[in-house]
Amino acid sequence: AQSVTQLDSQVPVFEEAPVELRCNYSSSVSVYLFWYVQYPNQGLQLLLKYLSGSTLVKGINGFEAEFNKSQTSFHLRKPSVHISDTAEYFCAVSDGKAAGNKLTFGGGTRVLVKP
Amino acid sequence: DTAVSQTPKYLVTQMGNDKSIKCEQNLGHDTMYWYKQDSKKFLKIMFSYNNKELIINETVPNRFSPKSPDKAHLNLHINSLELGDSAVYFCASSLAGTGLHYGYTFGSGTRLTVV
Repeated sequence: AQSVTQLDSQVPVFEEAPVELRCNYSSSVSVYLFWYVQYPNQGLQLLLKYLSGSTLVKGINGFEAEFNKSQTSFHLRKPSVHISDTAEYFCAVSDGKAAGNKLTFGGGTRVLVKP
Repeated sequence: DTAVSQTPKYLVTQMGNDKSIKCEQNLGHDTMYWYKQDSKKFLKIMFSYNNKELIINETVPNRFSPKSPDKAHLNLHINSLELGDSAVYFCASSLAGTGLHYGYTFGSGTRLTVV
């Protein structure tokens, strides 16, 4: 069974400061990793994904994440945040099976950007 | 031109009632999902259908019954609603097998409140 742990439930950060959101996963098979963002009262939007290849993945809105197989981590970073980055961020893992491609989500990290 | 649309957006109902939530996608995807997001933002998969066939059925009370009339639609019917059913229900879709390259596309959610 696969699982995802997001180590921080809340991350306050000042505008234009960098932010890192931590994500660790466990899985007995090859994994595919995702970060989603949920703005208030909205659905989830894909930020970026790791399927294979380069371990540094760039996504939308200036976010990037690094896949580290030995540490089973997929941390999300942004060098300079904006007020508009205030949202809930979810890390997710899939074992990539064709039938269903079930995504297992972490508990989420709330990012609050302060002016 | 909404990709994954859910109706209704808000649903307030009394305990014991029966209600349905509808979901439609116009992306040409062949797999659809229902996720439940509780008050702590935790997301858990409930069901998944691939080409109208049920392929994921997590531990969900049998008061919840999904129905997929075709691969573009996935509805969720809930009987005898309980207070604990209050949550946000998200519909999502993907392409099986290749869907991971694009991740899931989520609807904007249905906020169900049982009083």
